[in-house]
Amino acid sequence: DAKTTQPPSMDCAEGRAANLPCNHSTISGNEYVYWYRQIHSQGPQYIIHGLKNNETNEMASLIITEDRKSSTLILPHATLRDTAVYYCIVRGYSGGGADGLTFGKGTHLIIQP
Amino acid sequence: DTGVSQDPRHKITKRGQNVTFRCDPISEHNRLYWYRQTLGQGPEFLTYFQNEAQLEKSRLLSDRFSAERPKGSFSTLEIQRTEQGDSAMYLCASSRTGSPSQETQYFGPGTRLLVL
Repeated sequence: DAKTTQPPSMDCAEGRAANLPCNHSTISGNEYVYWYRQIHSQGPQYIIHGLKNNETNEMASLIITEDRKSSTLILPHATLRDTAVYYCIVRGYSGGGADGLTFGKGTHLIIQP
Repeated sequence: DTGVSQDPRHKITKRGQNVTFRCDPISEHNRLYWYRQTLGQGPEFLTYFQNEAQLEKSRLLSDRFSAERPKGSFSTLEIQRTEQGDSAMYLCASSRTGSPSQETQYFGPGTRLLVL
């Protein structure tokens, strides 16, 4: 699976949009971008995933650049409960393969009141 | 879905003792994964099962570690002769098979192990 690069930490004001970047310049055609977050002392929580089109769900939006070498996770109205470590993960899908996820160190997002 | 559950949530043991953790996946999820997470690091993949078959093991899974999923439902992870370096959070995840959405992994709350 391709490697990802994320800033180690970011701050965002409560109520504002939090934009978390991720670089995955070596991503290949069948690899998806997944985002998880981990609140202190809890298990990782799935947020969203995508291949090449932008995706939105009740938690967040995922914007993937046209060349797929980077992406941005957007939390539209950040709250204090969104303070967590956010992981960007690239994972291949081959219609049957089941690789373990490769986590980096993620971005520690701190929402300021 | 009731979510992935893990038991116990916390375990303190002395070096050299054996410990066993249990994971109950989301019902009807046929894939089950084990990960380990040390302080300040992201989770690291250990092994996974599809139904009762253990299909992949990471090189992190030393001979002291063994995992089972005898009936294709819950799984156990046993660590024999624990060492202080085994202190970590042990995470379990489960997924279906099929499309990328179906193969999304959902994690449990983890078991935090401290080896004294």
